[in-house]
Amino acid sequence: KQEVTQIPAALSVPEGENLVLNCSFTDSAIYNLQWFRQDPGKGLTSLLLIQSSQREQTSGRLNASLDKSSGRSTLYIAASQPGDSATYLCAVNNYGQNFVFGPGTRLSVLP
Amino acid sequence: ETGVTQTPRHLVMGMTNKKSLKCEQHLGHNAMYWYKQSAKKPLELMFVYNFKEQTENNSVPSRFSPECPNSSHLFLHLHTLQPEDSALYLCASSQDGLAGGRLPSTDTQYFGPGTRLTVL
Repeated sequence: KQEVTQIPAALSVPEGENLVLNCSFTDSAIYNLQWFRQDPGKGLTSLLLIQSSQREQTSGRLNASLDKSSGRSTLYIAASQPGDSATYLCAVNNYGQNFVFGPGTRLSVLP
Repeated sequence: ETGVTQTPRHLVMGMTNKKSLKCEQHLGHNAMYWYKQSAKKPLELMFVYNFKEQTENNSVPSRFSPECPNSSHLFLHLHTLQPEDSALYLCASSQDGLAGGRLPSTDTQYFGPGTRLTVL
């Protein structure tokens, strides 16, 4: 059974810092991995989806990497801004299975 | 705006009430999902529908009853709930499930804003 963990559970940084969020999964035979953002009390917004054949995906200040063999993905946020404050979730998909979500990392970017 | 809407956004109900949550997607997707998000717990998948057929029931108590009348609409009927059922209920949709819907979709899921449910 696929299990997904995220470290740290919470992170607080000053504005302008670069930061890395981590996601680990137990079954490395994944089909793809997705990073989401969730603002308090709201739904999830997809940020990046990485297929198993890819090593990384980039969107603006966000870069997600995937290392299937070690069961890890990182989300790199460059030059963080207060508007980046949210909970970031990763979700892993094994072929023939539904997405399994991690518990999330709650990010606070202080002005 | 993700193209997935949910109503109501907030709901307070007693344990003996019957209510329904509604989800609608305008994305032309054929897979729809109900998730439960409780405080300090990962997102929990409840139900999956592919092409209007239920393909996943993740051991959800029978006091939650889903309904999918067409590919654009998904309902969650609630009755005799417990206080521990208080949570954010999220609906999502994605492109078709694989193998004609017999297998889960591998595509991006688009989420609605959720219904914050409080059971007194």
